[in-house]
Amino acid sequence: AQKVTQAQTEISVVEKEDVTLDCVYETRDTTYYLFWYKQPPSGELVFLIRRNSFDEQNEISGRYSWNFQKSTSSFNFTITASQVVDSAVYFCALSEANFGNEKLTFGTGTRLTIIP
Amino acid sequence: DGGITQSPKYLFRKEGQNVTLSCEQNLNHDAMYWYRQDPGQGLRLIYYSQIVNDFQKGDIAEGYSVSREKKESFPLTVTSAQKNPTAFYLCASSILSGGSGNKEQFFGPGTRLTVL
Repeated sequence: AQKVTQAQTEISVVEKEDVTLDCVYETRDTTYYLFWYKQPPSGELVFLIRRNSFDEQNEISGRYSWNFQKSTSSFNFTITASQVVDSAVYFCALSEANFGNEKLTFGTGTRLTIIP
Repeated sequence: DGGITQSPKYLFRKEGQNVTLSCEQNLNHDAMYWYRQDPGQGLRLIYYSQIVNDFQKGDIAEGYSVSREKKESFPLTVTSAQKNPTAFYLCASSILSGGSGNKEQFFGPGTRLTVL
């Protein structure tokens, strides 16, 4: 069975600080996909990134960066120079590569508050 | 604009009543999903459908029912058999991978159901 753990329930940082959100996953598959979603106060989940298990290259998108390490089963998310608009709940999710059964397993989320 | 719409945004139900939550997408996605979100928890899959007139139970299907008569529509009925229905319900859709890797899901704005 697959599992995603986000041990940080809530994080608060002052604006412009960097912050890292941790994600640890468990799966028995060798091929799988990892995702990060943002849930602002409005409630709708916003897709941020998708990464397959064969691509361990770190990715940067503006102030966002992701560190994928298969050796530690982690897919951490860093926001650089945080802004108030980054305040949201962030979810990490895992999907095993099983055609016809592409379900997402979500972590419990990390609530990030950026203090102005 | 392409996207996913859910209605109503807020729904109140008396105990013993069935209610139906609407989900419509104009993204031409084959797959659609229903998730339930409780405070402080991640999303849990209720039902999903990958093709018209076919759907599968997710992890917490008891007390819920769905239909998929049209590609763009995937309504969820919360029946009186659901013992604790108060929650935030999110609908999502995605294209099917066709073997090219699990694709990201796109989410609607959600329906907040409260049982009185």
